[in-house]
Amino acid sequence: KNQVEQSPQSLIILEGKNCTLQCNYTVSPFSNLRWYKQDTGRGPVSLTIMTFSENTKSNGRYTATLDADTKQSSLHITASQLSDSASYICVVSEDDMRFGAGTRLTVKP
Amino acid sequence: EAGVTQSPTHLIKTRGQQATLRCSPISGHTSVYWYQQALGLGLQFLLWYDEGEERNRGNFPPRFSGRQFPNYSSELNVNALELEDSALYLCASTLGGLSTDTQYFGPGTRLTVL
Repeated sequence: KNQVEQSPQSLIILEGKNCTLQCNYTVSPFSNLRWYKQDTGRGPVSLTIMTFSENTKSNGRYTATLDADTKQSSLHITASQLSDSASYICVVSEDDMRFGAGTRLTVKP
Repeated sequence: EAGVTQSPTHLIKTRGQQATLRCSPISGHTSVYWYQQALGLGLQFLLWYDEGEERNRGNFPPRFSGRQFPNYSSELNVNALELEDSALYLCASTLGGLSTDTQYFGPGTRLTVL
C-alpha cells in the first residue's frame, strides 16, 4: 500500500478559478513534505518544501499547508492559469522519499 | 546555469537486451537520484548516489544497477530488459545528500521495451 495517497486523481477547472489538491500520508516520522509540478513529458519541478514543524508555505499562487497531527497536506492554487495544467505530486521524506501518484490538473479556458 | 541533463531522450530496446541511461547533474551537485515513472503510476525510487557511492536503493531487482563517476555524472543500467521496464526514467540531483535538499529533475529518458 502506498504510504502517500493523493486526491483527486484528476481535476478539471476553469481558468481563473481556485482549486485545492489533497495529500494524505502514513509515513512516520518524516522529515519534510514537498509538492512538485510535473508538466507532461518533463521532469518534476519543486514548488514547496515544508518540515514537520511548518504549517504553510507559499510560492506565488501556490500555497501548501501541512497538518502533521492528521498527516494531511494540501496544495491550493489561486487564480488558475492555463499553464497550471500539469500533474502535482506530493512527496514525503523520511530516510528516503515516498511519492504520491499525483493529481492531474487540467485548466480550461 | 545548465540544469540536469539526461541522454538519450528516447531509447527503444527489445526484451532481453541491456539499456544504459546517462545523467549529468547540475554543476556543483554531488548527489544523483534515479526514478522510474511507469505510465499512469507515480515516481518509484530506484537508486541514490552521493560522492561516488551508492547510498540507497529502492525495491527493484538487481538487474537495475548504476554508478556515479568522479565528475558526479551517473549511469543507470538495466539488464535483461522486460516489457514492464518501459517507463520514463528520471534523474535528479541535489547539492548535498540531505533529505531537505531540493531535488532538480532532468527531462527524463523514455525507455520502450518491445
